[in-house]
Amino acid sequence: SQQGEEDPQALSIQEGENATMNCSYKTSINNLQWYRQNSGRGLVHLILIRSNEREKHSGRLRVTLDTSKKSSSLLITASRAADTASYFCATDAVGTDKLIFGTGTRLQVFP
Amino acid sequence: NAGVMQNPRHLVRRRGQEARLRCSPMKGHSHVYWYRQLPEEGLKFMVYLQKENIIDESGMPKERFSAEFPKEGPSILRIQQVVRGDSAAYFCASSPSGQETQYFGPGTRLLVL
Repeated sequence: SQQGEEDPQALSIQEGENATMNCSYKTSINNLQWYRQNSGRGLVHLILIRSNEREKHSGRLRVTLDTSKKSSSLLITASRAADTASYFCATDAVGTDKLIFGTGTRLQVFP
Repeated sequence: NAGVMQNPRHLVRRRGQEARLRCSPMKGHSHVYWYRQLPEEGLKFMVYLQKENIIDESGMPKERFSAEFPKEGPSILRIQQVVRGDSAAYFCASSPSGQETQYFGPGTRLLVL
């Protein structure tokens, strides 16, 4: 079964607002990664957080990881219309090198 | 430093034909992964290869699908006797080693008529 489940499935906000997406997974992981995918395009790597890290920042992105709850969140601050895309979390489970992707959150940012 | 390259970007095949998808990893990357994405879904792992070796093919259908990563040249994902259900976007990713960031190519969108 799929490792990651993301919440919400879809999110619509106005420019300037913050967007929060959540991801839950099932087994122990080495790391968790977030990717962005624009419609019909490839995946762009956003950020990687390792299992021994709790929080990481990159520009307007803030990622948290709670291994006790097996969950992660991605916060995009001061959103822009260009942030409109699907966002996926992907986990690298202990003992494997393959990524298991969540179902994705479709973010729509209105100007 | 060129990113992961995939070709063709779009491929149309009739049922029963063969599809060959190519992936050139980033320079210095020896680990290649193939994923499949159906419309409106996340990516599903298919196979993980290092040069000349298949490390994990647990996501690969048992029949009609094969993958290779030869010593020289790109990685190839081969689908024989394609069916309509094979229509999807196929993404390749590479990394310098395991358990590191995987960088994705633009994908090959396969349409089976």
